[in-house]
Amino acid sequence: DTGVSQDPRHKITKRGQNVTFRCDPISEHNRLYWYRQTLGQGPEFLTYFQNEAQLEKSRLLSDRFSAERPKGSFSTLEIQRTEQGDSAMYLCASSEIPGQGKGLAGVKEQFFGPGTRLTVL
Amino acid sequence: SQQGEEDPQALSIQEGENATMNCSYKTSINNLQWYRQNSGRGLVHLILIRSNEREKHSGRLRVTLDTSKKSSSLLITASRAADTASYFCATDQGGSEKLVFGKGTKLTVNP
Repeated sequence: DTGVSQDPRHKITKRGQNVTFRCDPISEHNRLYWYRQTLGQGPEFLTYFQNEAQLEKSRLLSDRFSAERPKGSFSTLEIQRTEQGDSAMYLCASSEIPGQGKGLAGVKEQFFGPGTRLTVL
Repeated sequence: SQQGEEDPQALSIQEGENATMNCSYKTSINNLQWYRQNSGRGLVHLILIRSNEREKHSGRLRVTLDTSKKSSSLLITASRAADTASYFCATDQGGSEKLVFGKGTKLTVNP
């Protein structure tokens, strides 16, 4: 399977524990995105990488959240001192880099992984 | 905050009928995308329409975009039970790389 993969698929933890999720993008994709989705809502952007550089972070990404993509391939998302409000589906997506220049050329779709469902008790 | 708002929030139809979902957004965009999500699963990309396009087709899917009204519609023709899923529209925000999703329309197709 050459799609985006995420591990684990499910994680149950107690409040205050740290958790780490992994995302493996499609191999030729330079961009990697993290989103969070709560029940009944659409995904909300957290952060994205181009190769190993983290280029944008949402205000949703509090100090307890950190994401890395050390070699420009897989990425990890760590949540420290988890809270019940962190319970959500964490989605990873990857894409190619769009063409150079402004405007409409080369928009690249994002391919999503199956997600990691986090439950904080 | 979420930019897109899908309408209706839920839609229930019989197999063979057409399903129409609408999406409205607030800021200028370069493109709008529609995704499908089966219960508890990841998102599947359906179709992308650029801001200079008015209509696009892909199989049983037809998407329209009206930038003057900041709205889009997704039509699924001859629906099947397998089309049962949540459908989301997603927009860029005038050049940002992140996607901004609406809350989705939950479609149920009854056999």
